[in-house]
Amino acid sequence: AQSVTQPDIHITVSEGASLELRCNYSYGATPYLFWYVQSPGQGLQLLLKYFSGDTLVQGIKGFEAEFKRSQSSFNLRKPSVHWSDAAEYFCAVSGPNAGKSTFGDGTTLTVKP
Amino acid sequence: KAGVTQTPRYLIKTRGQQVTLSCSPISGHRSVSWYQQTPGQGLQFLFEYFSETQRNKGNFPGRFSGRQFSNSRSEMNVSTLELGDSALYLCASSRGRLNTEAFFGQGTRLTVV
Repeated sequence: AQSVTQPDIHITVSEGASLELRCNYSYGATPYLFWYVQSPGQGLQLLLKYFSGDTLVQGIKGFEAEFKRSQSSFNLRKPSVHWSDAAEYFCAVSGPNAGKSTFGDGTTLTVKP
Repeated sequence: KAGVTQTPRYLIKTRGQQVTLSCSPISGHRSVSWYQQTPGQGLQFLFEYFSETQRNKGNFPGRFSGRQFSNSRSEMNVSTLELGDSALYLCASSRGRLNTEAFFGQGTRLTVV
């Protein structure tokens, strides 16, 4: 069975500081990995995806993520956080068909001025 | 290009009633997936439809059902509503082919009283 663990329920960072959100996955075959962001009461916006190839992927809003197969991880990073980045972030895994994805429990990001 | 459209955005229903939610996917997308999001259980996969056929199903009781029309629009139905069905229901669309990502709508907030 596939699963996703986001160890940090809540993270607080100062504006301008760097950010890393952790994601560990369990999947029996080649994983397809995603990071989504959700603002309160809204849907999920896709930040970036990893299907294959270069293990460092770039996304929107200045985010990047690195796939490490040996550690079953897909951590999200941003060098300098903006106040508008405050939201909930979800990591997800699927097979080649993204129509059925398994999500982590999410990490809530608070940005201090 | 229009995104994924879910209607209605908000619903209040009484226990025992039934409800139908609608999702219009991005033009050209043939796969529609439904997820339930609650504070306690997080994001859980309900089912996926592709070309009018249910392709995947999650672990939900038979009270939860769905269908997809020839124009790829999808509806989900919940019968005999329970208080625990109160949730944000999210619809996602994708091309349904390999190596494609899913895009989410804004969701329908269902409250059962």
